[in-house]
Amino acid sequence: GNSVTQMEGPVTLSEEAFLTINCTYTATGYPSLFWYVQYPGEGLQLLLKATKADDKGSNKGFEATYRKETTSFHLEKGSVQVSDSAVYFCALTSGSARQLTFGSGTQLTVLP
Amino acid sequence: DVKVTQSSRYLVKRTGEKVFLECVQDMDHENMFWYRQDPGLGLRLIYFSYDVKMKEKGDIPEGYSVSREKKERFSLILESASTNQTSMYLCASSWTGNRETQYFGPGTRLLVL
Repeated sequence: GNSVTQMEGPVTLSEEAFLTINCTYTATGYPSLFWYVQYPGEGLQLLLKATKADDKGSNKGFEATYRKETTSFHLEKGSVQVSDSAVYFCALTSGSARQLTFGSGTQLTVLP
Repeated sequence: DVKVTQSSRYLVKRTGEKVFLECVQDMDHENMFWYRQDPGLGLRLIYFSYDVKMKEKGDIPEGYSVSREKKERFSLILESASTNQTSMYLCASSWTGNRETQYFGPGTRLLVL
C-alpha cells in the first residue's frame, strides 16, 4: 500500500534560516505529491504539489521537487519567517484513488 | 470563496453517547472526506463519499458511520462514543474535475470522557 514518511519534529529555527523538511514515500503506480500546511487553529491548506517526476512545485517561497529515483519530495525554503510557523504535512495520491495518504506532520516554529 | 464549515469547534461527550459531526461545503463538490488527526499519526481517512448516498470506507472506519443525504452535507456519526475516539476530526471536499486538491474545514476537537 501507499505510505509517507516525514522527518520528525518539532523543528525550531530562527527567522531567515534555511528550512528543509524531508519526505519520502512508498506507492504503487505514479503518485502525485503534495505539501499541506496547517496554521494554528485552522484546517489544512494546500501549499504546493507536483504531479510527475522532476516537477517542481512552488508557492509562497516554498519549493519541493518530485524525485522518483529517491522517492522523495523534500520541502525547502530559503529564508523562513515567523508567520511560517505551522504544521506541515506531506501527502500523496495515486491511481484512481481519490483519497490522500498523509505523513505524520512536522511542527515548525520560527523564532524572531 | 471556497468554504468548508464544521458544526462545532469543540465538543465534549460522555462514553456511550451518540455523537454527530456535521460538515457543509458550499462549492458543489462531489467528493467529501472525514479524517481524524492524532499527534504523531498525521491524518487518517475514516470514510469518504463521491456522490449523494454513496460512501466508502477509509483506513479506520471501525466505530464510525456516515450519512450523505444532500450533496453539500456529510455527517460523521459515532454510534457509541469511546475514550479512544477523543481526537481532532477534519472534513474535506474536492471537485471531481480536480479531485487531488482537497479543501479542509477548521476541524472539530472532540473529547470523550
